[in-house]
Amino acid sequence: NAGVTQTPKFQVLKTGQSMTLQCAQDMNHEYMSWYRQDPGMGLRLIHYSVGAGITDQGEVPNGYNVSRSTTEDFPLRLLSAAPSQTSVYFCASSYSLGRNSPLHFGNGTRLTVT
Amino acid sequence: ELKVEQNPLFLSMQEGKNYTIYCNYSTTSDRLYWYRQDPGKSLESLFVLLSNGAVKQEGRLMASLDTKARLSTLHITAAVHDLSATYFCAVAETGANSKLTFGKGITLSVRP
Repeated sequence: NAGVTQTPKFQVLKTGQSMTLQCAQDMNHEYMSWYRQDPGMGLRLIHYSVGAGITDQGEVPNGYNVSRSTTEDFPLRLLSAAPSQTSVYFCASSYSLGRNSPLHFGNGTRLTVT
Repeated sequence: ELKVEQNPLFLSMQEGKNYTIYCNYSTTSDRLYWYRQDPGKSLESLFVLLSNGAVKQEGRLMASLDTKARLSTLHITAAVHDLSATYFCAVAETGANSKLTFGKGITLSVRP
């Protein structure tokens, strides 16, 4: 059981480039989400999805797009990278947003924008 | 807007001693989670607390929830080096589809 798989693990982009961070889970989880982690800021929610075809914005959605065409996959797209998007990105999933469903996290993608 | 505060943000602990760390939140909630993160690693779920007075224990860690005070505590018994990590609490407002808001995390360092 692979759990939540994120690729790539590391990425360096130049300002203005675009890229997609991949996230896949094999646990048949309905809920998937993307967080960014910055020093001293904790984790901040970027976008989330409660099921295939349904996405919504979190706390810091600007500059990012998501889609959820299948239950398994939830890619995060950076449209035009900016240095402020330098961060560690975590994908997380759970059975639902319900009460006894802790998040399962991927191993993270460390992104640097120069 | 739900705010989650953890304190202290950094705690240096001596091996063998007991400590308590805190998670406060600002609005009504029906669930609270504790996660652990080792340096450079992902987050691992430790506890799920769902009701007022809930207490969960795993090894040297015990978490409790007081929904009336909007407070969760994580008690560490006889600290050991393996407990050195950053601990996050995450809170959701009451309601089936409420998202989680994370605190900034507390970094624990256990010294001999």
